[in-house]
Amino acid sequence: AQSVTQPDIHITVSEGASLELRCNYSYGATPYLFWYVQSPGQGLQLLLKYFSGDTLVQGIKGFEAEFKRSQSSFNLRKPSVHWSDAAEYFCAVGAFSNDYKLSFGAGTTVTVRA
Amino acid sequence: SQTIHQWPATLVQPVGSPLSLECTVEGTSNPNLYWYRQAAGRGLQLLFYSVGIGQISSEVPQNLSASRPQDRQFILSSKKLLLSDSGFYLCAWSDPRPNTEAFFGQGTRLTVV
Repeated sequence: AQSVTQPDIHITVSEGASLELRCNYSYGATPYLFWYVQSPGQGLQLLLKYFSGDTLVQGIKGFEAEFKRSQSSFNLRKPSVHWSDAAEYFCAVGAFSNDYKLSFGAGTTVTVRA
Repeated sequence: SQTIHQWPATLVQPVGSPLSLECTVEGTSNPNLYWYRQAAGRGLQLLFYSVGIGQISSEVPQNLSASRPQDRQFILSSKKLLLSDSGFYLCAWSDPRPNTEAFFGQGTRLTVV
């Protein structure tokens, strides 16, 4: 069965600084990988996804993520953080285990300080 | 375009009372449907998923049940709520193809008192 680990529970970053959120997955075959963002009290919005091809994927809101098969990682990055990026971020892996399902990591809360 | 509706947004229920949360999807057919629960610091826990009418798979043993009476309707229920059922519940749908993302409703904040 697939699993996702987000090692950082909480990250604080200054506005304008760069941000990197870590995600490691466990799955025997090629995974389908996603990053979602959640604002307080809201549902989840898809930031970007990776299925195949170019290992650097671009998403909405200036985010990008890089798939590294050798490290089983799919880290999310943003060069310059805005105060509106304060939210909770979830990494997810889609894989087959009888049926196709999405499994999510525990999430990383990002705080942006002025 | 596809949309997902989940209600109510907020619910306060006494211990021992029943529960019914409803989720409907528009603009697609035969979607995969999911119920997740979110607890602080624990990410999203998949509770149930469904690949078709009347087909429900339970991921974890619990006090809840799910039903799919129509193709685009997914209901989360309980006969008697426990304090531990409090949390943020999210409904989601995905295309049944294996390489697709899930689209989420706005969630229901359930507080059992």
